[in-house]
Amino acid sequence: SQQGEEDPQALSIQEGENATMNCSYKTSINNLQWYRQNSGRGLVHLILIRSNEREKHSGRLRVTLDTSKKSSSLLITASRAADTASYFCATDGETSGSRLTFGEGTQLTVNP
Amino acid sequence: EAGVVQSPRYKIIEKKQPVAFWCNPISGHNTLYWYRQNLGQGPELLIRYENEEAVDDSQLPKDRFSAERLKGVDSTLKIQPAELGDSAVYLCASSLLAGVGEQFFGPGTRLTVL
Repeated sequence: SQQGEEDPQALSIQEGENATMNCSYKTSINNLQWYRQNSGRGLVHLILIRSNEREKHSGRLRVTLDTSKKSSSLLITASRAADTASYFCATDGETSGSRLTFGEGTQLTVNP
Repeated sequence: EAGVVQSPRYKIIEKKQPVAFWCNPISGHNTLYWYRQNLGQGPELLIRYENEEAVDDSQLPKDRFSAERLKGVDSTLKIQPAELGDSAVYLCASSLLAGVGEQFFGPGTRLTVL
């Protein structure tokens, strides 16, 4: 079963614009991770945020976590065509133990 | 450093046939995962190994799926017999620490059952 739900399902923007993707989850978590998947490839880890953290940055990525709303957002600034991919959030938590539960993903298309 | 290696990359079989997937994790990673990813969805865990031991196989359909990780290194996932609904991408991942932090994924095996 999918724990997380990403929103929107698909996003199309122009190069240079910012892209924001949201993830909501149902049960308490220990950590939330974001992964990227290029077409036909495996997933690549982007960033991990712990339940006691509210915001984290990595290069052009900014992740926020609101545990009261059980939601997270991933912001990609100054997007590039190479950012075109599917983005997934994944959680591990009290009920799932160390099992990662992935959402259904957001398909991001960055047009040159 | 070599990443997670999977083979084959693609497999097409007829229903009721057996199929096997192979995975070699990153050297030194004790934890190995098998996921199934249906089209347009996120991966779902099938089984997790800590060294040779399957510590989470609650979502593995045991009537037709089996897995092994002999010697705690590479692993094989088998389906026998395959059904039409088994068509999916089968991903292998590994991690250094058990269930904590980043997982490293292989490119996956795309299975088509006709």
